[in-house]
Amino acid sequence: NAGVMQNPRHLVRRRGQEARLRCSPMKGHSHVYWYRQLPEEGLKFMVYLQKENIIDESGMPKERFSAEFPKEGPSILRIQQVVRGDSAAYFCASSPLTGGTEAFFGQGTRLTVV
Amino acid sequence: DQQVKQNSPSLSVQEGRISILNCDYTNSMFDYFLWYKKYPAEGPTFLISISSIKDKNEDGRFTVFLNKSAKHLSLHIVPSQPGDSAVYFCAASGVGGGSEKLVFGKGTKLTVNP
Repeated sequence: NAGVMQNPRHLVRRRGQEARLRCSPMKGHSHVYWYRQLPEEGLKFMVYLQKENIIDESGMPKERFSAEFPKEGPSILRIQQVVRGDSAAYFCASSPLTGGTEAFFGQGTRLTVV
Repeated sequence: DQQVKQNSPSLSVQEGRISILNCDYTNSMFDYFLWYKKYPAEGPTFLISISSIKDKNEDGRFTVFLNKSAKHLSLHIVPSQPGDSAVYFCAASGVGGGSEKLVFGKGTKLTVNP
């Protein structure tokens, strides 16, 4: 049973470009969470999704950021017109139940904006 | 406004001794607490958790203590092993009825010296 798969592992984008980060949850998991970790910081919650629904996006910046978890396929975190401050590690977690208590994390995508 | 605080950025202990990692929180609505371990370039790995109705939970070499009146929890690792060297994150959940997100501290880097 494969774990949470994130790709790409590393992503370099120029300022103004778009970044698309993908997350395939563990088999049987229908809850996906995205977190961002800035250097020297803890992980900060961004968004919580279930299949085809955004449940809690209170941690998402109001502009340029969006997330989806379609019926088929991986969850996507999309950042439009990236800026240097978007450089961070983005982690996806999945769980089979409500609540973060059973959440399993992927290895993360390290986004560098140049 | 940091709701989960890990005031020690780093901790160094000798192999075989006890490691004690501390965590404080400010929001009394948190009802579930977790510890994650993270190696460089990897995602966080769940270690141990505790519900607010308990004051202690033990799993092998790992024990978590919760002092609700002081809003403080600690992770004890005994005996410590070099493989325990990693960054340890304290996390909390349960704010606002039904919220599923985890709130993380900034982490404590543990180094266990052989």
